[in-house]
Amino acid sequence: DTGVSQDPRHKITKRGQNVTFRCDPISEHNRLYWYRQTLGQGPEFLTYFQNEAQLEKSRLLSDRFSAERPKGSFSTLEIQRTEQGDSAMYLCASSAFDRENHYFGPGTRLTVL
Amino acid sequence: GNSVTQMEGPVTLSEEAFLTINCTYTATGYPSLFWYVQYPGEGLQLLLKATKADDKGSNKGFEATYRKETTSFHLEKGSVQVSDSAVYFCALHNDMRFGAGTRLTVKP
Repeated sequence: DTGVSQDPRHKITKRGQNVTFRCDPISEHNRLYWYRQTLGQGPEFLTYFQNEAQLEKSRLLSDRFSAERPKGSFSTLEIQRTEQGDSAMYLCASSAFDRENHYFGPGTRLTVL
Repeated sequence: GNSVTQMEGPVTLSEEAFLTINCTYTATGYPSLFWYVQYPGEGLQLLLKATKADDKGSNKGFEATYRKETTSFHLEKGSVQVSDSAVYFCALHNDMRFGAGTRLTVKP
């Protein structure tokens, strides 16, 4: 068990560019979550997968955001046409059971210039 | 909608002091409640949890009791250590909602 990993750890991009982040959950976990965290705030839920099915998506999530988990293992989060307001830490978490304790990755820090 | 309200920080205590970090929630049904901790330079990790009313979660000397009548899940520790310095998050898992976090600094 190597824990949840995320790549890259840091990403700096220019406004208008597309970015993609990857998350590798704990191997036996079938649930995977994406969160966004800004300074001084708690994690904000973005979306959630059970195996390869995307079951929930925050109503606050812009259409510029899309996530996939094609084989029920790793997941990608893509942000199209980035904006400065997208600058944040993007966290991935996985769990073995529905809505039980999350195991978080180290996060990807995105800076949009 | 569901929400979590957490005591604002930062909180600064001397070593061996008593700690309380308040957390209240609004939710439909009977959600599981969690406390997560984020130590400096590390990711969030589970500290403790409670899945039903009157349950007490405990870990590393920390405790929290699920109080349905007051919709609260306050975090307590009888004697804090410098190594407890971290940010603490209360969370409601029925719709993946987290509090804003409370930064604790313990001074020797």
